[in-house]
Amino acid sequence: GDSVTQMEGPVTLSEEAFLTINCTYTATGYPSLFWYVQYPGEGLQLLLKATKADDKGSNKGFEATYRKETTSFHLEKGSVQVSDSAVYFCALSDVLNDMRFGAGTRLTVKP
Amino acid sequence: DVKVTQSSRYLVKRTGEKVFLECVQDMDHENMFWYRQDPGLGLRLIYFSYDVKMKEKGDIPEGYSVSREKKERFSLILESASTNQTSMYLCAITISNTGELFFGEGSRLTVL
Repeated sequence: GDSVTQMEGPVTLSEEAFLTINCTYTATGYPSLFWYVQYPGEGLQLLLKATKADDKGSNKGFEATYRKETTSFHLEKGSVQVSDSAVYFCALSDVLNDMRFGAGTRLTVKP
Repeated sequence: DVKVTQSSRYLVKRTGEKVFLECVQDMDHENMFWYRQDPGLGLRLIYFSYDVKMKEKGDIPEGYSVSREKKERFSLILESASTNQTSMYLCAITISNTGELFFGEGSRLTVL
């Protein structure tokens, strides 16, 4: 079945460092891809999404490009801030009502 | 704005108790979901519902049941809580035809 594999954490960076969180997927169809973020004590919220190959999703300085040839959707940010400390989930939706999530990557950004 | 409200943010229950977790949405959405979130396991789907009185099992339905008597309300029921059901429970709705989910703030359940 469809699945998502994302980079294991935790990840600890200094403020202003470059961030990459790797995400690869397996799907039989043409899924939509998502990154969700969960700040401490909160539910998940959508960070960005891409619905077809070569689309780039972006939000709050984060970017991810839907790469069909490498089945990847890596999350990047050029300069992280302390406020970016959170858990990040990669997810795919191929069949309606069947969203698949990665295990989550905890990011801690230190001043 | 879309709003998904979970009735309890934090609950502590004893083994064997019956537990109700409620989720209410305010936008007439059809599809509603219950997930549990555990460290290192991501989110796992327990049940979902695509209409009133309709329900479908997800990946881990054992030990849980659900109720959807009104469109805006989707309840998760633990008939006899066990310690391995200590977890974060997240309710969500579908808000687009890409399958994008909108989540409530979560209910953290501890079973002693």
